[in-house]
Amino acid sequence: NAGVTQTPKFQVLKTGQSMTLQCAQDMNHEYMSWYRQDPGMGLRLIHYSVGAGITDQGEVPNGYNVSRSTTEDFPLRLLSAAPSQTSVYFCASSYTIQGLKNSPLHFGNGTRLTVT
Amino acid sequence: AQKITQTQPGMFVQEKEAVTLDCTYDTSDPSYGLFWYKQPSSGEMIFLIYQGSYDQQNATEGRYSLNFQKARKSANLVISASQLGDSAMYFCAMRESTGGSYIPTFGRGTSLIVHP
Repeated sequence: NAGVTQTPKFQVLKTGQSMTLQCAQDMNHEYMSWYRQDPGMGLRLIHYSVGAGITDQGEVPNGYNVSRSTTEDFPLRLLSAAPSQTSVYFCASSYTIQGLKNSPLHFGNGTRLTVT
Repeated sequence: AQKITQTQPGMFVQEKEAVTLDCTYDTSDPSYGLFWYKQPSSGEMIFLIYQGSYDQQNATEGRYSLNFQKARKSANLVISASQLGDSAMYFCAMRESTGGSYIPTFGRGTSLIVHP
C-alpha cells in the first residue's frame, strides 16, 4: 500500500541546472498537485491536475513545469533552478472534487531541495 | 486577501490539557470543505479531520474535534488531553469550488508545543 511516492527525498542543485521531481500514486486519484513549503508561508500550490492530460497553474507556477500523461504520475520539472526555489516540495493527491469537496489530500513524504 | 487565516504562529500547552487552534476562512461559495492537517517534526503531512459546510454537527475524530461556527467563518481545532506526540505544526485548509475543481488552500500554520 504505497500511497503517494515522491522522489528524491533530498537534492542539491547549482543555479541554472534542471531536474525533475517524481510523484506517483497508486490510489487511482484523479486530482494531483504540487506544493512548496517555506517557513511562515504554509503550503503554496505550484501546479495541479484533475486528470490525465489536464494541468493548470496554481499560486506560484513560475519556473516550474508539469505534465500528466498517466493517472498515476505527475512529475514536476524545474527548468533552470534558482536559489529562490530552495524549499520543501510536496506532491499530494485526492479523488476528483466535482461535488466531492470532502476528499482529503494524501501527501508524499516531501523533497528537500537546495539551490546554491 | 488570505482565504485561510491562522493567527497563532505558536502555541504552548501542558500535557493532558486541552488546546484550541484557531482558523478563520473566507469564501462566498456555499459549498466547501474544511480540513486540518498535522505535520510533525519528521515532515510528513497527516490528515486529521474534515468538516463540510452543510454538516449540522461538529466533526470529531478521537481526541480531535472541530468547532465549526459557520456564521463567523471559523473552524477551530480542539485537541483534548494533549500528549507529547501532539507537538507539531498544524495546518487548516479549505476546498471551495474553483471552476468545479475544489482546489485546496492552506493557512500558514500553527506550531504547537506540548510541555510535560
